[in-house]
Amino acid sequence: GAVVSQHPSWVICKSGTSVKIECRSLDFQATTMFWYRQFPKQSLMLMATSNEGSKATYEQGVEKDKFLINHASLTLSTLTVTSAHPEDSSFYICSATDRQGKALVQPQHFGDGTRLSIL
Amino acid sequence: ELKVEQNPLFLSMQEGKNYTIYCNYSTTSDRLYWYRQDPGKSLESLFVLLSNGAVKQEGRLMASLDTKARLSTLHITAAVHDLSATYFCAVASPNFGNEKLTFGTGTRLTIIP
Repeated sequence: GAVVSQHPSWVICKSGTSVKIECRSLDFQATTMFWYRQFPKQSLMLMATSNEGSKATYEQGVEKDKFLINHASLTLSTLTVTSAHPEDSSFYICSATDRQGKALVQPQHFGDGTRLSIL
Repeated sequence: ELKVEQNPLFLSMQEGKNYTIYCNYSTTSDRLYWYRQDPGKSLESLFVLLSNGAVKQEGRLMASLDTKARLSTLHITAAVHDLSATYFCAVASPNFGNEKLTFGTGTRLTIIP
């Protein structure tokens, strides 16, 4: 149980294009989803927290107009990197929790990640 | 601001040896998680530690938590090659309902045959 599917796994695109990454909870309702970014050989850095039906909360230093997050349903959150540039190349990972998981202090369930390469 | 530090950052050890990875954090928290990450992959949950003195073991890995010292350890016993990976600890922030995680710097472990 508690599977989080992230799509696509890998994307390569030209500078200036926008890229959308999907994060789906397959067998539970994700009341909260998190988006992380991981540069090579570094740790995970939280970008934003999104709750279903409300605006995402961005961490300090993360441009909300560049990284658009939509959490329209209890099973889907999307991250859109707008006008991507080479410095946006990174490994993006989503995670999700549900009400029951939160109450039971289960760890966040992580997606498989999306490797984004901007040429 | 919660800060989480791990030591060492890199660790190369021979099979069969024992070693401990340390995770220190800066503010009060009673929830700490350990994750494993293989190259190019996402995170795999290893342990959830919820109280002072908590100890959990799975195979050759054992994790403990000392909330008073703000310290968690991940002990590796009789290391085998399959344990080669990067290990992260992550601490929950009470100020954010324990949902927000701050990750440690990671420890890249290489087991040499």
